[in-house]
Amino acid sequence: DAGVIQSPRHEVTEMGQEVTLRCKPISGHDYLFWYRQTMMRGLELLIYFNNNVPIDDSGMPEDRFSAKMPNASFSTLKIQPSEPRDSAVYFCASSAQAGGRYGYTFGSGTRLTVV
Amino acid sequence: EDQVTQSPEALRLQEGESSSLNCSYTVSGLRGLFWYRQDPGKGPEFLFTLYSAGEEKEKERLKATLTKKESFLHITAPKPEDSATYLCAVQSRGSARQLTFGSGTQLTVLP
Repeated sequence: DAGVIQSPRHEVTEMGQEVTLRCKPISGHDYLFWYRQTMMRGLELLIYFNNNVPIDDSGMPEDRFSAKMPNASFSTLKIQPSEPRDSAVYFCASSAQAGGRYGYTFGSGTRLTVV
Repeated sequence: EDQVTQSPEALRLQEGESSSLNCSYTVSGLRGLFWYRQDPGKGPEFLFTLYSAGEEKEKERLKATLTKKESFLHITAPKPEDSATYLCAVQSRGSARQLTFGSGTQLTVLP
């Protein structure tokens, strides 16, 4: 398996623009997680899905953030409008169980820079 | 609220110099404690899951142990390729299925 695939790897955008991050989980994994990593706050959970349904979005910082999972093989995280404080590395992870014996598999991340 | 504290923040070792990383946690009932390794520019890579006090897991030069309040990641005779940031995370029974991560220990092993 190719693992969790995220795109793009790097994104530089201007403040106020819309940004869409993409994730393809591992086939057969029924949990998908979006995390954000910064130097100040470390890894923070934004939202997670089970069988394509959003279960907990309490970590989404504001209404500017939205996430969708239209099918089992694709998810998006959208920021509209983007702000400089959104600059971070965004990770997608998937799991066959909710963090069980084999943990979560993370993608390589999208480094977002908002200028 | 689940909390995870890792120490030290950074650790420099000479090749072959064994040491331990600490992860202290506070959870409302532990479902599992996880250790990950993260290399620069990459996502965290799963190492171990520990479920109950007294449990130990080993992988090559790494051994993870668990008590009711903390976990240790012991590194025996480290090599430069062990240099990475090591992250600890907990999953509690009372919360949703997410992992709460510590801030990590940045390990550098010098040749």
